[in-house]
Amino acid sequence: DAGVIQSPRHEVTEMGQEVTLRCKPISGHDYLFWYRQTMMRGLELLIYFNNNVPIDDSGMPEDRFSAKMPNASFSTLKIQPSEPRDSAVYFCASLEGDRGLTYQPQHFGDGTRLSIL
Amino acid sequence: RKEVEQDPGPFNVPEGATVAFNCTYSNSASQSFFWYRQDCRKEPKLLMSVYSSGNEDGRFTAQLNRASQYISLLIRDSKLSDSATYLCVVNPSGFNKFYFGSGTKLNVKP
Repeated sequence: DAGVIQSPRHEVTEMGQEVTLRCKPISGHDYLFWYRQTMMRGLELLIYFNNNVPIDDSGMPEDRFSAKMPNASFSTLKIQPSEPRDSAVYFCASLEGDRGLTYQPQHFGDGTRLSIL
Repeated sequence: RKEVEQDPGPFNVPEGATVAFNCTYSNSASQSFFWYRQDCRKEPKLLMSVYSSGNEDGRFTAQLNRASQYISLLIRDSKLSDSATYLCVVNPSGFNKFYFGSGTKLNVKP
């Protein structure tokens, strides 16, 4: 079975540029999560969706960040304009959710390593 | 107070040793608990769910102590390949959110 698929695996760009990260969740999963991980702050939840609807975006750091989920099989996280402090590993995860969030684990993609110069 | 707290370690143990990590959580109504393993520069991978009765998977045993609000992970007969960071995850009841600990680093040495 295909797992969560993220692209690109690596992104290096200059500050001020727009960055778009992509995620395809596991088929049939109702929840999708975007996380950011840095050495200093660990794993931080940015936003999550249920049935393509954003439920909690309280972790999105500022207006430069936006996320969409136009359908059940695709989500994007966009940073515009990007800044060096956005450099991190960004993970997408999905969860089946047939019983809500309780008792069910998340499954992570390989992540996107983002470097903003 | 953080929702989930872990000792960052590192725990340095020889091969074959038994090692245990604890993870404390603040919300007494928490229902779901998981242990994930994360290798350097890789994604977190589910190691095991933690059930009320405790559960075992090979060399790994997970326990839940509701009275003291912690979960534990016991690794027996440590292998070099067990070297990783172990993250605990808690889903408080009524909260549609998961809380990750900052992870405990394990180094298994020859």
